[in-house]
Amino acid sequence: EIVLTQSPVTLSLSPGERATLSCRASQSVSSTYLAWYQQKPGQAPRLLLYGASNRATGFPDRFSGSGSGTDFTLTISRLEPEDFAVYYCQLFGSSLFTFGPGTTVDFK
Amino acid sequence: QVQLQESGPGLVKPSQTLSLTCTVSGGSIRTTSYYWSWIRQSAGKGLEWIGRIYGSGNADYSPSLKSRVTISVDTSKNHFSLNVSSVTAADAAVYYCARSWNGHYYYMDVWGKGTTVTVSS
Repeated sequence: EIVLTQSPVTLSLSPGERATLSCRASQSVSSTYLAWYQQKPGQAPRLLLYGASNRATGFPDRFSGSGSGTDFTLTISRLEPEDFAVYYCQLFGSSLFTFGPGTTVDFK
Repeated sequence: QVQLQESGPGLVKPSQTLSLTCTVSGGSIRTTSYYWSWIRQSAGKGLEWIGRIYGSGNADYSPSLKSRVTISVDTSKNHFSLNVSSVTAADAAVYYCARSWNGHYYYMDVWGKGTTVTVSS
């Protein structure tokens, strides 16, 4: 079973700053199987990126994704107040889904 | 626009079976384009995928829960269900249902709001 790790655990930033979140897989995976979600307190997760770099409906272009093999990155170019949330990466493989432990982006 | 709504008891006694239903509205659960998944989130923790089912009834489960979990589908009612047997306090969580794409990409694009399950006698 492939394990996902995310870093950092918490990212403390101010609005307007750039956020770079990492998701690492324990073995090489296809980027088509990698997705990112945003979750705010008391809400269900919301699909943010799929196929590692394709933005889901409703998310602005300040959100971008990249990576291949074992290392994937979510970048928020300039943080807006509504972007402070928890971000999870997700992988599909061997007929099952796996989530990373999440990165919290909070106010510095 | 497809919407999902979880329902079921909010309180389950230890050792009993937790049963939840996810009702799909705005689309057919029989579609070949999607699977239907259950995910849970313990308080203050991350997301744990439980399993998924196709409209035909084929299901996949998380290895860590497979021995206690059954997911079923009722196409006549356009809903799918989750049963978790022999629950303990570790099964207390917010349970979400979600739609997962059955195609080139693998993601969950529509989620229910979630339902909280407490395990207590």
